[in-house]
Formats: sequence, structure tokens, C-alpha cells
Amino acid sequence: NAGVMQNPRHLVRRRGQEARLRCSPMKGHSHVYWYRQLPEEGLKFMVYLQKENIIDESGMPKERFSAEFPKEGPSILRIQQVVRGDSAAYFCASGGSATATNEKLFFGSGTQLSVL
Amino acid sequence: GENVEQHPSTLSVQEGDSAVIKCTYSDSASNYFPWYKQELGKGPQLIIDIRSNVGEKKDQRIAVTLNKTAKHFSLHITETQPEDSAVYFCAARGTGTASKLTFGTGTRLQVTL
Repeated sequence: NAGVMQNPRHLVRRRGQEARLRCSPMKGHSHVYWYRQLPEEGLKFMVYLQKENIIDESGMPKERFSAEFPKEGPSILRIQQVVRGDSAAYFCASGGSATATNEKLFFGSGTQLSVL
Repeated sequence: GENVEQHPSTLSVQEGDSAVIKCTYSDSASNYFPWYKQELGKGPQLIIDIRSNVGEKKDQRIAVTLNKTAKHFSLHITETQPEDSAVYFCAARGTGTASKLTFGTGTRLQVTL
């Protein structure tokens, strides 16, 4: 009964490179949320996706960041041309739906992105 | 959008004492309020949650209370143990396309022997 799986656990990139973060939701879950956490800070919402659809991307920076959740395979958070300010822990959470009966969100262990 | 405030930012209690963490939210349409515990180097773990049609919920040593009129909710941990030491986050969730969780800024709880 695997939980939310994120990989890689740690990712080191040089400025200007691309970072790809992966998230496989819990079995049976079709909703994925991405959050960013800076040291000693809370979790900041980035994007909410369902299979093949972006539902809410109000927390995504306008440039360099994109996310997808294809019909098959994990959700991907992609950061192009990374800068030092992108260094953070990125967490993925999955849920079954937004209805009352199935609204709990479960988080993965996160990907720690370090930009040199 | 939703705004969640959380207090205190740090809390130190002696083992066996109780700990209380308080949160307020701004959007009266929010209807679901979970609490997460985050240990160092790990992802947030759901420990208890409450819906807006319930005023209180308890699970062993932890309980959550909700005052919908005042738009605030609290986490209560009784008989604290060293393993309760962690950062605790409250969150509020709206409905429909606004169904993302908005988090408080966290409370670092230290349980001392």
C-alpha cells in the first residue's frame, strides 16, 4: 500500500540547468498538488492538477515553471533555467477528489532541490 | 483568497503537559481543516482533521476544536511526549476549484524531559 512517491529525494543543479521533479500519487488518487517549502517556512501552494488537466496554477511563477499530470505516468514539475532562489523542498500531495467523502491529502517525502 | 494565521510560532512544554496551537482563517466558505505534523527531513503527515459541520474531534491524545463563527480552530495535545516534538501546520480548504489547502506558517513544538 505505497504512499505518495517522489523522486529524486535530492537534486543538485547548476544555475541555468533544468530540474524535473516526479510525483506518483497514492493508488486510486487522481488529484495532485505541488507545494514549495523554504527553510523555516510554511508550505506554499503552487499548482493543482487532475489527470491531463491543470485545475489551479495560481501559485506558479509566470516563467520557467510548468507542471503536468499525464494520463499515464507520474506528475512532473519542471523548472527551466534554475536560479539559486529556486532552492527549496518541493512536496507533492495526492487526494481522491475534492468531495467530502474523499478529501484527505497525503504528502510525499519531498524533493530537496539545491541550485549551485 | 484564503489566509491562515497560526500561533505561536514556537512552543516549549514539559513532558506530560498539554500543548495548544491556534489558527484563524479568513474565508468563511472553507469547510475542511486538517492538521499536519512534519518531522525534520520528512513530508507533512496528516494527524487529524475536522469538517465545518463538527465542533470537536478527538483521537487519543490529540483533539481539534472549530469555532466556525469566529473562524478559528485549535489543536490540543495532551500528555505530551518527546516524540511529539516536530513542526505542526494547520490548513484550511475551500470548495470546488478553490479546493487547495492553504497552510499556516507552522508551530515548532519542543517537548522537554
